[in-house]
Amino acid sequence: GAVVSQHPSRVICKSGTSVKIECRSLDFQATTMFWYRQFPKQSLMLMATSNEGSKATYEQGVEKDKFLINHASLTLSTLTVTSAHPEDSSFYICSALGNYGYTFGSGTRLTVV
Amino acid sequence: GQQLNQSPQSMFIQEGEDVSMNCTSSSIFNTWLWYKQDPGEGPVLLIALYKAGELTSNGRLTAQFGITRKDSFLNISASIPSDVGIYFCAGRRGSNFGNEKLTFGTGTRLTIIP
Repeated sequence: GAVVSQHPSRVICKSGTSVKIECRSLDFQATTMFWYRQFPKQSLMLMATSNEGSKATYEQGVEKDKFLINHASLTLSTLTVTSAHPEDSSFYICSALGNYGYTFGSGTRLTVV
Repeated sequence: GQQLNQSPQSMFIQEGEDVSMNCTSSSIFNTWLWYKQDPGEGPVLLIALYKAGELTSNGRLTAQFGITRKDSFLNISASIPSDVGIYFCAGRRGSNFGNEKLTFGTGTRLTIIP
């Protein structure tokens, strides 16, 4: 079956620093990856869609200069939260689209202090 | 962004009871997916529906793609403790796997009372 590895699972960072989250499809190629943010007791909200080798498409209200997405290969996409602030604290989840459909990573709990 | 409306928002049931939940939309979706999310984890796919009127089972789970293409239903029979979690529906306007994004429901939180 399709497996997506997301790393790190938890990260704590200081305000003003940047954090990189990796999302890897382990046994399939993903031409498209999606990044979501989930606040406590809420649903998943799509932040951006990334296609390998091209610029990501951001949802309305998501700052592209703050949430940098790189999809350099068919198995790896990264989300960098730049100049993080406490309000960026959330659960970030990636999803990779391949032949098996949409497979989700296990999420990254980001806490900005 | 748009979200699909799920009902009920939460459920408190006893082990062994059957569970029903639904998901509605004001617009048509051509693919419906049901996911389960455990605390601190990503969603895991339970059932995928691709055709209006389709009824699909996966063990004790049964889901239906509404005939109007604006709703979907999930039933869980004879609930067990590991069914605890949050259930999300997700809709996709396309009917095959292009690079189209999913729209998620608001979620149904299932709790089993001892």
